[in-house]
Amino acid sequence: ETGVTQTPRHLVMGMTNKKSLKCEQHLGHNAMYWYKQSAKKPLELMFVYNFKEQTENNSVPSRFSPECPNSSHLFLHLHTLQPEDSALYLCASIGIGTSGTSTDTQYFGPGTRLTVL
Amino acid sequence: RKEVEQDPGPFNVPEGATVAFNCTYSNSASQSFFWYRQDCRKEPKLLMSVYSSGNEDGRFTAQLNRASQYISLLIRDSKLSDSATYLCVVNKDNTGRRALTFGSGTRLQVQP
Repeated sequence: ETGVTQTPRHLVMGMTNKKSLKCEQHLGHNAMYWYKQSAKKPLELMFVYNFKEQTENNSVPSRFSPECPNSSHLFLHLHTLQPEDSALYLCASIGIGTSGTSTDTQYFGPGTRLTVL
Repeated sequence: RKEVEQDPGPFNVPEGATVAFNCTYSNSASQSFFWYRQDCRKEPKLLMSVYSSGNEDGRFTAQLNRASQYISLLIRDSKLSDSATYLCVVNKDNTGRRALTFGSGTRLQVQP
């Protein structure tokens, strides 16, 4: 176990549905990330949160809406998705020290495998 | 040009073989480098960081050549359990605010 959990692990939804992905980290980290991994493509960064504030939105369509209520929890709200949004969605966290320098390791959750019909 | 480029493979090698993977990165300002391992349908996990002086962890050796913007991973005495996709990963700074950039990965299949 890496200390980062994601629910649900699998999700099938229609294009008109609204659903949310949840990520929780138990590592005391203060930066959290959403990545998308499509088949045969590299991981694509979607969003970055540092100390609960969004610091990066990597040109993600508005049908993906992140929320970070505290430094341990991260959500990805989904609505009116397209079939091409089917992918593995990975959450990750990293520790950032008080001087702003990070620890080396980014820890990933197990991912949510999303299928949009 | 991709930010991080890797040969996708697959590399099919027999048990006990030595295999090497290479990776190039485009941003000369990149600060830290890693190899991650990803098993089929699982999340990536850190295999090892890559330091300028080169570093070794058991059967695994990583090298960095900043001048050529090139990273390598050598696996000696391959085991069946080494079969996975190996991801070359680069971070542009060490504050953690800029997230990691991943290569597409190199797939390794170790055969009995």
